[in-house]
Amino acid sequence: GEDVEQSLFLSVREGDSSVINCTYTDSSSTYLYWYKQEPGAGLQLLTYIFSNMDMKQDQRLTVLLNKKDKHLSLRIADTQTGDSAIYFCADASLSNDYKLSFGAGTTVTVRA
Amino acid sequence: GAGVSQSPSNKVTEKGKDVELRCDPISGHTALYWYRQSLGQGLEFLIYFQGNSAPDKSGLPSDRFSAERTGGSVSTLTIQRTQQEDSAVYLCASRPLAGNTGELFFGEGSRLTVL
Repeated sequence: GEDVEQSLFLSVREGDSSVINCTYTDSSSTYLYWYKQEPGAGLQLLTYIFSNMDMKQDQRLTVLLNKKDKHLSLRIADTQTGDSAIYFCADASLSNDYKLSFGAGTTVTVRA
Repeated sequence: GAGVSQSPSNKVTEKGKDVELRCDPISGHTALYWYRQSLGQGLEFLIYFQGNSAPDKSGLPSDRFSAERTGGSVSTLTIQRTQQEDSAVYLCASRPLAGNTGELFFGEGSRLTVL
């Protein structure tokens, strides 16, 4: 992976949907990931998408990938207070031994 | 172990001192990565070990940084003559060799504060 960019902050009302956007530059990316980091904790894989897919849905999470525009998004439906965390977008390629390139992280704050 | 274990969880040191940070990866995971997370920054790749191959040190920011992995398991990241800009959370991650999607399993990190 090379450069990965994402917005730094998102504030959302409890029960609404959250959408976090990410752009990347490496056209050889094999997988794209969303990691979640809760306060004082390490990163945990939230979901991933293979580069030949357009969409992946997993319960409240929907990942959309526009490979042409190198744009990745994560939608969290019915956002809950427990979803407050930092969300990192990352990409990696098998050819690069999965050395993930991370964005700076989007801090999501869920307000009641 | 059940997960990636890192120690110490917190380290405060004086400028100019050496520090060692330890990572114990998940048993059986052959690949091990060190990343650095500075305040407001993304994760910066530091170094990567895979089995018995020579490590990829391309992310180490200076020659004050070094890392070893003994017996294909535990890894130690050493920072010599620490500087204030070394203050960060140092994260270790591991993954198995095959049958995976590149998912990295992260430890909780070692927070280093250089005074």
